[in-house]
Amino acid sequence: GAVVSQHPSRVICKSGTSVKIECRSLDFQATTMFWYRQFPKKSLMLMATSNEGSKATYEQGVEKDKFLINHASLTLSTLTVTSAHPEDSSFYICSANGQGAIEQYFGPGTRLTVT
Amino acid sequence: TQLLEQSPQFLSIQEGENLTVYCNSSSVFSSLQWYRQEPGEGPVLLVTVVTGGEVKKLKRLTFQFGDARKDSSLHITAAQPGDTGLYLCAGVFAGNMLTFGGGTRLMVKP
Repeated sequence: GAVVSQHPSRVICKSGTSVKIECRSLDFQATTMFWYRQFPKKSLMLMATSNEGSKATYEQGVEKDKFLINHASLTLSTLTVTSAHPEDSSFYICSANGQGAIEQYFGPGTRLTVT
Repeated sequence: TQLLEQSPQFLSIQEGENLTVYCNSSSVFSSLQWYRQEPGEGPVLLVTVVTGGEVKKLKRLTFQFGDARKDSSLHITAAQPGDTGLYLCAGVFAGNMLTFGGGTRLMVKP
């Protein structure tokens, strides 16, 4: 199957700072990438969908100015959590699929802790 | 908003037992995927079903897609402790966006 990586796997930051999470498709070109958030023992919640070279589409209730998404190339999307607060602490997961593909392949996730 | 109901939410069984997880919606899926997730990791794709009535097997796992493409099931035969994890169904209703079910947390005791 296709491989998606995420970096960092874990990050701890202080309240008020910004954190950038990278998502890379390693062996295929990802026309679309997705960002999810997952709370403990819960399912995945879609935050936004991004297509290469265009603005991300955010789900209802997700602040686009807080969660900045950039999909600058067919293999890289970034999620920046700006002015992080403790309630932003969560497990963030990205996924990607190639053009015409229906399967999404997920990254290993990033555990963000805001102190 | 499309909703996927997944049941049961939790399942604790003994090694060797069989189990079935259900995924239901009032809407028609264009396709449905099953994932397995372990703690601290991303979901891993198990199978994709596309055709109504389709049955796919992956070793001891059997996946069925309902004739009307509104429901799906995952059956595990002779469960093993290594099957422990969070099982997620996710449906595609339009485009390529996934809508996830609530997940089934399975624990298989030796």
